[in-house]
Amino acid sequence: EAGVTQFPSHSVIEKGQTVTLRCDPISGHDNLYWYRRVMGKEIKFLLHFVKESKQDESGMPNNRFLAERTGGTYSTLKVQPAELEDSGVYFCASSQYLYRTADPYEQYFGPGTRLTVT
Amino acid sequence: SQKIEQNSEALNIQEGKTATLTCNYTNYSPAYLQWYRQDPGRGPVFLLLIRENEKEKRKERLKVTFDTTLKQSLFHITASQPADSATYLCALSNQAGTALIFGKGTTLSVSS
Repeated sequence: EAGVTQFPSHSVIEKGQTVTLRCDPISGHDNLYWYRRVMGKEIKFLLHFVKESKQDESGMPNNRFLAERTGGTYSTLKVQPAELEDSGVYFCASSQYLYRTADPYEQYFGPGTRLTVT
Repeated sequence: SQKIEQNSEALNIQEGKTATLTCNYTNYSPAYLQWYRQDPGRGPVFLLLIRENEKEKRKERLKVTFDTTLKQSLFHITASQPADSATYLCALSNQAGTALIFGKGTTLSVSS
């Protein structure tokens, strides 16, 4: 079974530019999450999709961040325009529908996208 | 605000010893507490989940305890091996089991 994949693995952009991160969850996983780790800080939740619907976007820092999950499969996270404080590692995670697994809250993480804004 | 503290940023032990990592939390009543392992350049990998009504859970050389009165979880790795060297993350989740709240992690180094 393929794991969660993220693209690109690294991205270096200048302040003011736009970047789009992509996440492909494990096939069949209805839940998709975005997290971010800023240097020296803990991993922080950004938002949660159930299929194509945004279930919880309370962690999104501001309106420069836009997440989509069209068709309930892969997801994109766009940052526009990027600021220096957006630098960090962006993780995507997926999990099965809550009531179909023995450990319903186990999340499978991708390797992350390291974003550097200069 | 909700806060999770993992007792130390780094823990160094010798091979064969038991590693004990601590996770304390405040201003939160989690339904679930999870432990993840993270290796450099990789995403977190799930290890164990313990529910609020469970005191202890084991999986091979791993043991987790959960004390909701003390608001603390202990994570033990027995007979530690150099391959256990990694960063271990404590994470809490709410009743709906959605967003995970992470601690900063403890980096464990096991020397042979």
